[in-house]
Amino acid sequence: GENVEQHPSTLSVQEGDSAVIKCTYSDSASNYFPWYKQELGKRPQLIIDIRSNVGEKKDQRIAVTLNKTAKHFSLHITETQPEDSAVYFCAASLSGSARQLTFGSGTQLTVLP
Amino acid sequence: GAVVSQHPSRVICKSGTSVKIECRSLDFQATTMFWYRQFPKQSLMLMATSNEGSKATYEQGVEKDKFLINHASLTLSTLTVTSAHPEDSSFYICSADRRGTDTQYFGPGTRLTVL
Repeated sequence: GENVEQHPSTLSVQEGDSAVIKCTYSDSASNYFPWYKQELGKRPQLIIDIRSNVGEKKDQRIAVTLNKTAKHFSLHITETQPEDSAVYFCAASLSGSARQLTFGSGTQLTVLP
Repeated sequence: GAVVSQHPSRVICKSGTSVKIECRSLDFQATTMFWYRQFPKQSLMLMATSNEGSKATYEQGVEKDKFLINHASLTLSTLTVTSAHPEDSSFYICSADRRGTDTQYFGPGTRLTVL
């Protein structure tokens, strides 16, 4: 089955700086890669996703890049704000959809004011 | 739109009792719902995939007789933890696959504590 590794497990940045979280996946057939943000005790919320036919996608301060050859994808948050502090999870799917997601281990992002 | 609710949000029970958790898609039909388990500061582990009108598909290592799943309608799936023990204490989260959008929407989770 698919295996997703996520790094780093914790990340602290100063407000206004950029944050980058990286994930690698094992199955080259995976073709859908969402990112979720989870605040303490709350539900995960989809913040951005990318499919294997695209190399990069951007939504305001958030961007995701995908390197299919190397089997890794990254989340980039620019101009970080304290409200960006949360746990971020990457995931990968073989089905090309949000079904059968395999999640990474999560990254605790702390944005220091 | 695309709201998923779970009930209850928190439950405390004695060892040996059974607990039922409901997952509802409030404003859309969900042909598939997913049940996850999350331990503190850990990732979401898929337990089972629930399809309306058919038996759930369980992930390897998940006891189907202990975690009973019923998906009776396009808007409701239930997870029953039978004969709960302290090691079953966890955060249980459901999600629903919205038809046509190809996106999983997560419920708010249920914190189960077994004494």
